[in-house]
Amino acid sequence: NAGVMQNPRHLVRRRGQEARLRCSPMKGHSHVYWYRQLPEEGLKFMVYLQKENIIDESGMPKERFSAEFPKEGPSILRIQQVVRGDSAAYFCASSPNGVWADTQYFGPGTRLTVL
Amino acid sequence: AQSVTQLDSQVPVFEEAPVELRCNYSSSVSVYLFWYVQYPNQGLQLLLKYLSGSTLVESINGFEAEFNKSQTSFHLRKPSVHISDTAEYFCAVTGNYGGATNKLIFGTGTLLAVQP
Repeated sequence: NAGVMQNPRHLVRRRGQEARLRCSPMKGHSHVYWYRQLPEEGLKFMVYLQKENIIDESGMPKERFSAEFPKEGPSILRIQQVVRGDSAAYFCASSPNGVWADTQYFGPGTRLTVL
Repeated sequence: AQSVTQLDSQVPVFEEAPVELRCNYSSSVSVYLFWYVQYPNQGLQLLLKYLSGSTLVESINGFEAEFNKSQTSFHLRKPSVHISDTAEYFCAVTGNYGGATNKLIFGTGTLLAVQP
């Protein structure tokens, strides 16, 4: 059973460009979470999605950031007009049921560098 | 608000010595507690978790953690570390905060640096 897949693993963008980060959950998992890890910090929750629905986006910046998890295909985290402060590692996790005791399985992350 | 505190940003230790990585949490609701390990340039891997029942939980590679409700702690211990244990360790908590999500709240991490 393949784990959580994320691509690209490394992404370099210039200020003002768009960044698209992809996450394919583990087989059978329909719950996806995005977290951001800034340098020297722990992971911070961004958004929680189920297929075709955003359940909780309380950790998403109000502007430039969006996420989707379509019926078919991977979950996408989109950052428009990137700034240097967006440089971070972005991790996706998936779980089978979305309940409190569920284990979240993490992907290897996408490391975004904004020049 | 819920929070997790890992007071030690880095713990240097010699190989085969014991180690304890500290984690304290703050929450107004019942919690589930997790320890994740992150090796360089990799994602997080679940090390162990406390959901209910016995307050002492163990991992397959010799780590253990004890849930102490009165002290709101979930410290991670290993009696004898190996070089291969060198990694960043994150404590995390989740609970019924009243929303629909079981989002994890992470501490800032502790770098375990095992020296020969």
